[in-house]
Amino acid sequence: EIVLTQSPGTLSLSPGERATLSCRASQSVGNSDLAWYQQNPGRAPRLLMYGISTRATGTPDRFSGSGSGTDFTLTIGRLEPEDFAVYYCQYYGTPLPTFGGGTKVEVK
Amino acid sequence: EVQLVESGGGLVQPERSLRLSCVASGFTFSSHSMSWVRQAPGKGLEWISAISASGGSTYYADSVKGRITISRDNSKNTLYLQVNSLRVGDTAIYYCAKDNRNSGYFDYWGQGTLVTVSS
Repeated sequence: EIVLTQSPGTLSLSPGERATLSCRASQSVGNSDLAWYQQNPGRAPRLLMYGISTRATGTPDRFSGSGSGTDFTLTIGRLEPEDFAVYYCQYYGTPLPTFGGGTKVEVK
Repeated sequence: EVQLVESGGGLVQPERSLRLSCVASGFTFSSHSMSWVRQAPGKGLEWISAISASGGSTYYADSVKGRITISRDNSKNTLYLQVNSLRVGDTAIYYCAKDNRNSGYFDYWGQGTLVTVSS
């Protein structure tokens, strides 16, 4: 099983600032099988990115994904008020999918 | 519009059983794998089970294997999760999630149903 470790646990930033979220895998991720989700309080998660860097339908272009092997990054170019949320990375290859522990982006 | 609506949650005593349902609409249910993902209060997401489009293959996380059974009725566009021998640690919001093109990531989620296990 691939274990995903997200850092930092909490990111305190101001609107308009750039956010960089990290997701590290315990083994190399093949086939670009990595996704990112956003979860606002009291809401279900929402798919943001898949295939490491492909934006899901409706994901603004201020969101970008990058990385390879075991190290992946979600970058939010300029934080908008609705971007303050919790973000999860997910490995979805074989044998079983797993989620990282999440990074909370909060208002500084 | 894709919709996933879970039901069946509630307050349950330890060691009892529960069956959760997820009714799907807005897409061809029988063409997509589906999963259950849970989230304990204040915690992160935990994938617990998946089922293939036909229902012929099922997958479980080690943390729940042996106590849960995932199933589906494609004629009713409904996904199920049977949870037995409930524990306090099973307290969580249970989400059903649609697999995008059977690739393993989830493009749509239900609103979740809360299961509280307590005596």
